[in-house]
Amino acid sequence: QVQVVESGGGVVQPGGSLRLSCAASGLTFSSYGMHWVRQAPGKGLEWVAFIRFDGKNGGLYADSAKGRFTISRDESKKTVYLQMNSLGPDDTAVYYCASLDWGGGLDYWGQGTLVAVSS
Amino acid sequence: QSVLTQPPSVSAAPGQKVTISCSGSYSNIGNNFVAWYQQVPGTVPKLLIYDNNKRPSGIPDRFSGSKSGTSATLDITGLQTGDEAVYYCATWDFGLSVGMFGGGTKLTVL
Repeated sequence: QVQVVESGGGVVQPGGSLRLSCAASGLTFSSYGMHWVRQAPGKGLEWVAFIRFDGKNGGLYADSAKGRFTISRDESKKTVYLQMNSLGPDDTAVYYCASLDWGGGLDYWGQGTLVAVSS
Repeated sequence: QSVLTQPPSVSAAPGQKVTISCSGSYSNIGNNFVAWYQQVPGTVPKLLIYDNNKRPSGIPDRFSGSKSGTSATLDITGLQTGDEAVYYCATWDFGLSVGMFGGGTKLTVL
């Protein structure tokens, strides 16, 4: 049974930082790339970032995240992280961690963690 | 505004068929796999279609996907009230090196 569990969300002031964690179990973690996807209240899904299965070449980012967010992974902990800096109100959203393969059908999502940027 | 364009809403009566379109470009839909998701408000997105037209196990064959050129389509036949949800297309853009979702289409079963 695959489980993906996010943590680290909360309320942060504008300009602040937050680190989200995503623990995966039940799958060969080292074989899969991992994504972060977010959803602002009442809005659609927005892809945020991706890290390769081996963590090489850094990560790939949406324009909205580039330069502010950093994705990383720790194989020993089977955990992916999203370090978010310079947060603004537009970053308020539920952040989902997911293992996605739109060609192969692999699709595991966590339940999401809420990030609220507010003074 | 998403690079993948979907109609904001569609509607049809129970038992009828509905088609949801997703329009992109050469660098995304034109050269990558397309997936479709169903999301009921307050829940995690559920994969309906991957690799343009394949269904994961457990997804009924009322849901079907296709792709032609730079557009993809999700067809839902035999509509049920339980199909009311927001539907998203998704793919990768090799030019921008980003993943992307369509803006979402809200399905109402009248």
